[in-house]
Amino acid sequence: GAVVSQHPSRVICKSGTSVKIECRSLDFQATTMFWYRQFPKQSLMLMATSNEGSKATYEQGVEKDKFLINHASLTLSTLTVTSAHPEDSSFYICSGDRDDGYTFGSGTRLTVV
Amino acid sequence: AQSVAQPEDQVNVAEGNPLTVKCTYSVSGNPYLFWYVQYPNRGLQFLLKYITGDNLVKGSYGFEAEFNKSQTSFHLKKPSALVSDSALYFCAVSYYGGSQGNLIFGKGTKLSVKP
Repeated sequence: GAVVSQHPSRVICKSGTSVKIECRSLDFQATTMFWYRQFPKQSLMLMATSNEGSKATYEQGVEKDKFLINHASLTLSTLTVTSAHPEDSSFYICSGDRDDGYTFGSGTRLTVV
Repeated sequence: AQSVAQPEDQVNVAEGNPLTVKCTYSVSGNPYLFWYVQYPNRGLQFLLKYITGDNLVKGSYGFEAEFNKSQTSFHLKKPSALVSDSALYFCAVSYYGGSQGNLIFGKGTKLSVKP
């Protein structure tokens, strides 16, 4: 089946630093990648939709300058959390859009200290 | 407003017993309904979906779900639970189209199956 590889699985960073999360589609071309955030005991919330070769579309309330998304190729999308703060600590998960299904990465647990 | 409710934070079931994980939704128009499972340290996995047709949908790992339009529900069921079914289950609804970019997720229900 289709696989989306997401790295890192866990990261701890200092407040004010930036963290990059990568998602690679291993056996299919992901024209579109979705980025979600999940706070404890809350549901997944769509943050943004990235399309290969164009600007990402951000959901209302998500700061595009803080959460930089790059989708430079059909197999790689990255999310960079810039100037991270403790309130950015969350579980981030990506998903690749396929015609026959929806494939999620394994997620990244970000802790900002 | 579009919404999905999973009224139970946790469901406890003995192995071999039937299980039900509840989900209700509120969307305008015809909903597309999904169930996903999240195992520890792993990504979400697709279980099943309802788009149209038979109200009873069969999915992976022996799970099934019944779409009930009058009750706006899409409960997940399995006739005989396994310990390995223990995981976090998410119900989701797409309020138009099938694209996952329009998915609204419930808060999730933790299923615990004891031997």
